[in-house]
Amino acid sequence: SQTIHQWPATLVQPVGSPLSLECTVEGTSNPNLYWYRQAAGRGLQLLFYSVGIGQISSEVPQNLSASRPQDRQFILSSKKLLLSDSGFYLCAWSVEVSGSYEQYFGPGTRLTVT
Amino acid sequence: GQNIDQPTEMTATEGAIVQINCTYQTSGFNGLFWYQQHAGEAPTFLSYNVLDGLEEKGRFSSFLSRSKGYSYLLLKELQMKDSASYLCAVRDRDYQLIWGAGTKLIIKP
Repeated sequence: SQTIHQWPATLVQPVGSPLSLECTVEGTSNPNLYWYRQAAGRGLQLLFYSVGIGQISSEVPQNLSASRPQDRQFILSSKKLLLSDSGFYLCAWSVEVSGSYEQYFGPGTRLTVT
Repeated sequence: GQNIDQPTEMTATEGAIVQINCTYQTSGFNGLFWYQQHAGEAPTFLSYNVLDGLEEKGRFSSFLSRSKGYSYLLLKELQMKDSASYLCAVRDRDYQLIWGAGTKLIIKP
C-alpha cells in the first residue's frame, strides 16, 4: 500500500531563517506531487505541483521554492522566511485510478514564523 | 475567475442527517471531490463524482449536477466523530484542483 511521509510535524522558525520541508512517498511510481498551504480556518492553496523528476510548476508567486530530486521525494524550501509564511503545509500525491486523480495527503507540517 | 462556495459552518444533532452544499464556477469540469478534515489533521478522501447523480458509500453520499454547477454531501446517522471540516474541490479543464474553503460541521449530542 502507498504511504506518504512528511517531516517535521511542527516547526517554529524566526523571520529571515531558511526552511526545508521534506515529503516522501512509498508504494507507488511516478506520482504527481503537490505542496499546499492552509491558513487557519481557510481552504487549501496550491503552491507547487510536479509531474516528474525536476519538473516543478508554481501556482503563485511567493517566497518559496520546490524541488523534486527523486521520483518520490518532494522538497519545499525558502531562503528567508516571512511572517506570512506561517501555516499548515501539506504534501499530497496522486495517480490516475479509473480516470480519477484523487489526492492523498501527508500528515502535514505546522510552521510558525516568529 | 474560478469559485467554489460552501457554507462556512453547520450544526447538526447526533443520529440525524445533514446535507452540505457546494456550488462551483470553474473553467471546465473534470470531476468533483469531497474530503474530510479533522482539526489539526490532513484531509482524507471521501468521494469522487464525475457524472450526474448520486454516489453512495455507507453513511455518506455525494450528489452532482453538472448543469447546475452543484453538489452536495449527505451524511446520515451522524456520529460525534463526524465533527470535522468538509472540503469540496473541483478539477478544472487543466486537471488542477480548485478548493473550497470548507464547511465546519459541529455535531451536538
